[in-house]
Amino acid sequence: GQQVMQIPQYQHVQEGEDFTTYCNSSTTLSNIQWYKQRPGGHPVFLIQLVKSGEVKKQKRLTFQFGEAKKNSSLHITATQTTDVGTYFCAGANDYKLSFGAGTTVTVRA
Amino acid sequence: GAVVSQHPSWVICKSGTSVKIECRSLDFQATTMFWYRQFPKQSLMLMATSNEGSKATYEQGVEKDKFLINHASLTLSTLTVTSAHPEDSSFYICSARRVAGDTQYFGPGTRLTVL
Repeated sequence: GQQVMQIPQYQHVQEGEDFTTYCNSSTTLSNIQWYKQRPGGHPVFLIQLVKSGEVKKQKRLTFQFGEAKKNSSLHITATQTTDVGTYFCAGANDYKLSFGAGTTVTVRA
Repeated sequence: GAVVSQHPSWVICKSGTSVKIECRSLDFQATTMFWYRQFPKQSLMLMATSNEGSKATYEQGVEKDKFLINHASLTLSTLTVTSAHPEDSSFYICSARRVAGDTQYFGPGTRLTVL
C-alpha cells in the first residue's frame, strides 16, 4: 500500500532560524496536503498542492511539490514561537489520505 | 465555513462497555466521512471510510465488529467502540469531505480512556 515517509521526526529550532521538513511517498500522488497540529489539538489544514513542481507560499511558509509528484517539502523561515507544533504531510490517492509520521517542532527563544 | 464537530470531546469508560462517538458536519453536507486514530506522539492512522447510506470501508487490520461505523445522514457519522479495552484508549478524530477531491475537514477529536 501507499506509504508516506516524513523527516525529520523532531526539529528543535532557534527562534529566527529556518528549517525544512521533507515528505516522500512510495507512489505517485494525486495531491499532497499539509496540516499543523498544536499540542492537544487536532490537525488543521494548511495547504494542498496538486500540480507537478508546484510551489506555494503562506507568509513565512513555503510548500513545494516535486516534479514526479512523489515528494514534498515545507520550509519555514524566521521561525517564531507560534510555529510550535507537529506538521504532517498527507499524500492523497484515490479517496484516501496517508499521513506521514509528522515533524514535531519546538522553538527556543 | 466547513466546521466539523465531535462529541464527546473526551470520555472515560470501564473495560467491557461500549462508547459512541459522533461526528457532525455543521455547515455542509458530507458525502464521505473518515475516522482516524492517533496514539500519543504518533501520526493519524485511517481506520475506515464511510459514505452516506452505505457500509463503511475498513482499513486492513481494523476490526469492523469492534469499531461500528454508521453514516446515517449527510451530516452525521458515528463510531461505536464495542466492548472497549484499555488498548483501545486513543485519540479518535473524524474528518468530513463534501465530494471526492475536496479537502478533508477535521473534527476536534475525542480522547477515549478505557480503565
